Amino acid sequence: QKEVEQNSGPLSVPEGAIASLNCTYSDRGSQSFFWYRQYSGKSPELIMSIYSNGDKEDGRFTAQLNKASQYVSLLIRDSQPSDSATYLCAVNRSGGSYIPTFGRGTSLIVHP
Amino acid sequence: KAGVTQTPRYLIKTRGQQVTLSCSPISGHRSVSWYQQTPGQGLQFLFEYFSETQRNKGNFPGRFSGRQFSNSRSEMNVSTLELGDSALYLCASTPSAWGEYTDTQYFGPGTRLTVL
Repeated sequence: QKEVEQNSGPLSVPEGAIASLNCTYSDRGSQSFFWYRQYSGKSPELIMSIYSNGDKEDGRFTAQLNKASQYVSLLIRDSQPSDSATYLCAVNRSGGSYIPTFGRGTSLIVHP
Repeated sequence: KAGVTQTPRYLIKTRGQQVTLSCSPISGHRSVSWYQQTPGQGLQFLFEYFSETQRNKGNFPGRFSGRQFSNSRSEMNVSTLELGDSALYLCASTPSAWGEYTDTQYFGPGTRLTVL
């Protein structure tokens, strides 16, 4: 059973729009949640981490976490063509260990 | 600070051979994790090393092994290569300490392994 689910996309949005990326997870004890951006042919780059329910904003990015619904999302405001990439959701299991589980990623295309 | 470095960047091997990949973490980082990334399975955790000890391990067969040296550099070895081992192997370092699990990871550029 897949533990972290993401819509593979592609999600296509026009430049300047809000891109909304979603992720669900199955482990109710998960404590840490991350969004990575991965450009084609490059390695993942951490863009947001969130640990508590609610919203966390960093520039044009907002991460939203709802542990009751086991749902984490990433909003990208004023999307730019340079935001076109695959966005990976990652969840760290509970219990003091560090065995992160990644979703397969959502491909985002921002067209001019 | 210099980032995470991995060598070699590209590697071609044949089935049955073995391969060793190397990772140098960011200076001062003591935790190194290894991942396999494939189009079919996505990014999967292999193992994590801290202070020369394997601290965590993912669900991979024993053909996949690793080690860490006193300078925090890490190597990963895959024995008896199979076609399905073709993947991008990523290394990530974190500024972790004993008893702590720092979640912020910094990935290296990866080693692209092709098994023929």
